Amino acid sequence: AQSVTQPDIHITVSEGASLELRCNYSYGATPYLFWYVQSPGQGLQLLLKYFSGDTLVQGIKGFEAEFKRSQSSFNLRKPSVHWSDAAEYFCAVFFPRGSGYSTLTFGKGTMLLVSP
Amino acid sequence: NAGVTQTPKFQVLKTGQSMTLQCAQDMNHEYMSWYRQDPGMGLRLIHYSVGAGITDQGEVPNGYNVSRSTTEDFPLRLLSAAPSQTSVYFCASSLTGGAPSGANVLTFGAGSRLTVL
Repeated sequence: AQSVTQPDIHITVSEGASLELRCNYSYGATPYLFWYVQSPGQGLQLLLKYFSGDTLVQGIKGFEAEFKRSQSSFNLRKPSVHWSDAAEYFCAVFFPRGSGYSTLTFGKGTMLLVSP
Repeated sequence: NAGVTQTPKFQVLKTGQSMTLQCAQDMNHEYMSWYRQDPGMGLRLIHYSVGAGITDQGEVPNGYNVSRSTTEDFPLRLLSAAPSQTSVYFCASSLTGGAPSGANVLTFGAGSRLTVL
């Protein structure tokens, strides 16, 4: 079955420390992968996406993610976290439907807390 | 260029009432969709549309109706609201809805928070 898993519900990181948020997917073909961020009370903003090519992708706000086919993972990283990065982060994958179209399936999210 | 506009931002309903959440986009996007967001559940797809007159069900369609009479608008109807439909609803659109590409990166609205008592 096609699925997206974010194993960590909450993560707390000290300001200035590095960050890695995990995302695993289950899909038989080449996936199309996204990370979105949602600040409290706000909509979702695209951080970065992977469609093909270089497996290390750069996004906005200093984030990057690496696609590892062998591990079925697309982990999000940032070398130095800022207090403004506190938000909920969602991994998402395009899956094809029986209709012939593809739709975006989201993981359950990881809430990032940044401590002083 | 307003992007994706959702109205209302907040709504309180009583069980059994009906209402429509409005979604409009001004980007000439073919693909539009509705998600609901519940704590610990992420976003789940309710319905989607790949063009005027074409809609399909997502993961959690029960209790919701949609139609797409114009490219710009994609309203979500609750015919008889239930407490289980208390949620935050997001509308999202993209240029196309076919094979994944840069043309179908979703743009999200700001959300509509619905409470059903």
